[in-house]
Amino acid sequence: AQKVTQAQTEISVVEKEDVTLDCVYETRDTTYYLFWYKQPPSGELVFLIRRNSFDEQNEISGRYSWNFQKSTSSFNFTITASQVVDSAVYFCALSRTQGGSEKLVFGKGTKLTVNP
Amino acid sequence: DSGVTQTPKHLITATGQRVTLRCSPRSGDLSVYWYQQSLDQGLQFLIQYYNGEERAKGNILERFSAQQFPDLHSELNLSSLELGDSALYFCASSPSRKDVTDTQYFGPGTRLTVL
Repeated sequence: AQKVTQAQTEISVVEKEDVTLDCVYETRDTTYYLFWYKQPPSGELVFLIRRNSFDEQNEISGRYSWNFQKSTSSFNFTITASQVVDSAVYFCALSRTQGGSEKLVFGKGTKLTVNP
Repeated sequence: DSGVTQTPKHLITATGQRVTLRCSPRSGDLSVYWYQQSLDQGLQFLIQYYNGEERAKGNILERFSAQQFPDLHSELNLSSLELGDSALYFCASSPSRKDVTDTQYFGPGTRLTVL
């Protein structure tokens, strides 16, 4: 069975601090995909990144970076120099392709509050 | 804006009633997915349709059903509503290309309140 664990329920930081959101996953598949989504207070789910299991390179996009480590089954997300607009719930998700089904299994989410 | 549209944004109804949630996928996407977000269960996959046919089912109750029409829009029907069905219902879409796990882009959601 697939499972995603986001152990940090809530994190509170002050603006300009760096913050890392943890994501640990479980799967028996050799091919899988990992995702991060952001849910701001307005409620929509915004796609941030998709990574497949064969690509362990870290990725940086502006102030956002992702660290994928297969050895520890982790896909952590770091926000550098956090801003108030980063306040949101962040979800890590896992997907497999099985017979064309690509359902996402989500973690419980981490609520990030960035205070001015 | 993800390009996925959902209507209505909010829905308030009473127990025992039936409602229909509508979703239009992004242009070119063949798959539509429905997810439920509730405080106790989190984000849960309900069902996937691909080009008009059901492709996968998750923890969808028998009181719930969905369909995808020839123009690829989808509807999620919830009947005999209970208080516990109150949740945010998301629709997502993806191209579902062969042998590729595409990104799912989510609509803004429909917030259902059952009184």
